[in-house]
Amino acid sequence: GESVGLHLPTLSVQEGDNSIINCAYSNSASDYFIWYKQESGKGPQFIIDIRSNMDKRQGQRVTVLLNKTVKHLSLQIAATQPGDSAVYFCAENDYGQNFVFGPGTRLSVLP
Amino acid sequence: SQTIHQWPATLVQPVGSPLSLECTVEGTSNPNLYWYRQAAGRGLQLLFYSVGIGQISSEVPQNLSASRPQDRQFILSSKKLLLSDSGFYLCAWRFGDTQYFGPGTRLTVL
Repeated sequence: GESVGLHLPTLSVQEGDNSIINCAYSNSASDYFIWYKQESGKGPQFIIDIRSNMDKRQGQRVTVLLNKTVKHLSLQIAATQPGDSAVYFCAENDYGQNFVFGPGTRLSVLP
Repeated sequence: SQTIHQWPATLVQPVGSPLSLECTVEGTSNPNLYWYRQAAGRGLQLLFYSVGIGQISSEVPQNLSASRPQDRQFILSSKKLLLSDSGFYLCAWRFGDTQYFGPGTRLTVL
């Protein structure tokens, strides 16, 4: 079946550095992509989204890049802070009810 | 603004006991609602979704059931829990194309 996955299960970065979290998806019909942040013991929190007619979208300190040619999605966090430590999920949707989530990447910010 | 609530936050139940988890949404009407389960270190698995009162769709065969007795209420149930039902249960609602999640319920079946 279709799936969304992540290249790196864990990522450690120095505070102040930029972080890049990657995600691969396999459903070419997916039209909408979301990044979520999940802190320990809490529900996922929406960070940023992007549609398939775009290749880049920026938020506050975050940027999502979409490469439809290779079915790749990335989340860039600028000037990573200790509060950014969490598990980050990508998700994809093809207009249906089913959102497919990857297993997540754990981001650890080192002092 | 919209808010989604789940309770209880934590639950420890013996094998074979019943289960009832509740999810309610405030600040919106006729939302699409979803139940997910998250096993440790794994992604989210969609269990059920509902587009309206009394309308339930199941994504995977399982020991669980769902009901939607009111517009903004979504309930996850089981008559007899299994060890494999342990996990983190998340309710979500859909606004446009985006899903927003509740705080979750940590269920441990012993």
